[in-house]
Amino acid sequence: GNSVTQMEGPVTLSEEAFLTINCTYTATGYPSLFWYVQYPGEGLQLLLKATKADDKGSNKGFEATYRKETTSFHLEKGSVQVSDSAVYFCALTVNREYGNKLVFGAGTILRVKS
Amino acid sequence: DAGVTQSPTHLIKTRGQQVTLRCSPKSGHDTVSWYQQALGQGPQFIFQYYEEEERQRGNFPDRFSGHQFPNYSSELNVNALWLGDSALYLCASSLYDYGYTFGSGTRLTVV
Repeated sequence: GNSVTQMEGPVTLSEEAFLTINCTYTATGYPSLFWYVQYPGEGLQLLLKATKADDKGSNKGFEATYRKETTSFHLEKGSVQVSDSAVYFCALTVNREYGNKLVFGAGTILRVKS
Repeated sequence: DAGVTQSPTHLIKTRGQQVTLRCSPKSGHDTVSWYQQALGQGPQFIFQYYEEEERQRGNFPDRFSGHQFPNYSSELNVNALWLGDSALYLCASSLYDYGYTFGSGTRLTVV
């Protein structure tokens, strides 16, 4: 089956620190990979995506590279801000003939202290 | 341009009751998906509607049912509520299979 495994949190960092949130996946077929962010009291927002091996998704200083050989899609940011505090979800879809549901990891809480 | 609108934002129900949640998709979107997000977990896919029909379904019992209307809006119905149904219910809309937009969710508490 299809599944996503994320590093457990919470991850607590000081402002301007380097961020890595690990994500690995298993999939039948050739998945597209996503990172979503959820701020307190809000729904999910797409942060970045990659649709084929070696693609790098990037947005707002965050980036992640689709690594087929290690089945990974780790999220990184060079310098975090307090405003980055949120829950981050790694997700995948495997295109099928009818619908491409998202399969999510359990989420990683990020707390950034000033 | 309004995004995905869900109503109500919060509600409390008693075990055994039935509940209906509503979703208005983003303008231009024709596909609606529903997800259940239990506390501290990632969202789980419930089902997806396209052209007023259920196109795909996740591993949820028949107590969970839905509907899509001609204007693409959608309802999620849950019968015989039990404590384990307490969760944030998220609606996501898309234009067919391209790019999901999520609403802010409905927080359901079953007591």
